[in-house]
Amino acid sequence: EVQVEESGGGLVQPGGSLRLSCAVTGFPFSAYYMDWVRQAPVRGLEWLGRIRNKGQSYTTEYAPSVKGRFTISRDDLKNSLYLQMNSLDTDDTALYFCVGDRDGAGAFWGQGSLVTVSS
Amino acid sequence: DVVMTQSPLSLPVTLGQPASISCRSSQSLVHSDGNTYFNWFHQRPGQSPRRLIYKVSNRDSGVPDRFSGSGSGTEFTLKISRVEAEDVGVYYCMQATLFPLTFGGGTRVEIK
Repeated sequence: EVQVEESGGGLVQPGGSLRLSCAVTGFPFSAYYMDWVRQAPVRGLEWLGRIRNKGQSYTTEYAPSVKGRFTISRDDLKNSLYLQMNSLDTDDTALYFCVGDRDGAGAFWGQGSLVTVSS
Repeated sequence: DVVMTQSPLSLPVTLGQPASISCRSSQSLVHSDGNTYFNWFHQRPGQSPRRLIYKVSNRDSGVPDRFSGSGSGTEFTLKISRVEAEDVGVYYCMQATLFPLTFGGGTRVEIK
């Protein structure tokens, strides 16, 4: 059974930083691409970025709204995915999901980690 | 960015009756590799989204066969042959052909 568990969310002040982690089990993590997606009440589901596998040199893609502020990385030895978020703004308040790609995007989702940006 | 437009926004349905949701993309979703990376998701209240359909018409493991996806190019449809109570929630379409990946705004399905 695939299990995806995000952690690291919390309250952060505007302009601050936060690092989310995602642990994956029951899934050949190293073989697959991974995405981060967030969901805010007003804006619905928003794809943030992708990191490919070792075979694709761990290359990344980002949504324009987070490019230059967010960085996705992975540690295949730990079956873990990371999202480093800098220069956070109130618009970044959302539930952040770690999502595994198999047969295309969106195959496996965690329960999400809540990030609240507020002073 | 590819804009995904779903309709209707809200869909009241009768148990046991069919239901249909449409999604239109602002650009063709046919990838250069010949595949069309278009998915459907279902999200129940308080839960994470769950993928139902990938690459237009392929059901994910464990998805009941009352769900079917069809379409091509820029027009796609999700059909539920006979709605059950567990089908309530919000349905989202998503394209994964072009970056940035984008979602539709969602269709809320409720029982009449």
